[in-house]
Amino acid sequence: RKEVEQDPGPFNVPEGATVAFNCTYSNSASQSFFWYRQDCRKEPKLLMSVYSSGNEDGRFTAQLNRASQYISLLIRDSKLSDSATYLCVVNYPGYSTLTFGKGTMLLVSP
Amino acid sequence: GAGVSQSPSNKVTEKGKDVELRCDPISGHTALYWYRQSLGQGLEFLIYFQGNSAPDKSGLPSDRFSAERTGGSVSTLTIQRTQQEDSAVYLCASSSRGQGRTNEKLFFGSGTQLSVL
Repeated sequence: RKEVEQDPGPFNVPEGATVAFNCTYSNSASQSFFWYRQDCRKEPKLLMSVYSSGNEDGRFTAQLNRASQYISLLIRDSKLSDSATYLCVVNYPGYSTLTFGKGTMLLVSP
Repeated sequence: GAGVSQSPSNKVTEKGKDVELRCDPISGHTALYWYRQSLGQGLEFLIYFQGNSAPDKSGLPSDRFSAERTGGSVSTLTIQRTQQEDSAVYLCASSSRGQGRTNEKLFFGSGTQLSVL
C-alpha cells in the first residue's frame, strides 16, 4: 500500500503568520521526501527536499518524523506570494516513481 | 531549451478522436514520466521511461492510452478514441536519476490541457 495523506485545506492565514502542514506516509521503508509547490493552473515545482535531520531554506523549514511517519513544512512570515498548493512527495521502495499527495492549499491574505 | 517542453499547451477534441501529446525533456535526463491531473485532484501517474529499459506502464488507465519515447529523448503520449473523462492536464516530467532514488528531483513541463467535447 502506498499512500500519502494531506489535509486539503484551504489554510487561510494573514500575511506575516506562521503556518505548518503535515503529511503522513504509509511505508516505513521510504527514503526520499520532498515538498513541491503548485500555483494555480501551473506545473508543480520542487520547493525543497526533506532530510532526516530537518532542513531550512529561508522562511521554510522541513522536518521528518520517521517514528510517526510524517513530514512537515513550516512557513514563517507568510507572504502573499506563498499562496499555492503544497504537495507532499514520497518514494516507495519497489515502485519506479514518486508518489504525490493531493496537496494542501494555502491562501495568504493581506 | 532549458526546461521540459510540452506541446500543444491546449488541445480541444471531439469524443472518439485520437490525440497525441508531445514531451521534450531536459537534455541528458534519462528518466521521463507522464502524469495527469484532473481539476482539483492530485497527480495521477501514467507511465515511466528510464533509459532504454522497458517502460513502467502500470499507471495507464486503459488500453486506449499508449506512449513511446524515441531515441531516449522525446516522448509522445497517444490517447485513442478519446472520452470526456480523459479531459485533464497531462504533465510530463524528467529527471536525471529516476526510479524514485534518493534525492530524485522532477522537473515538470507546463502541461497540455486536454478538453474532450
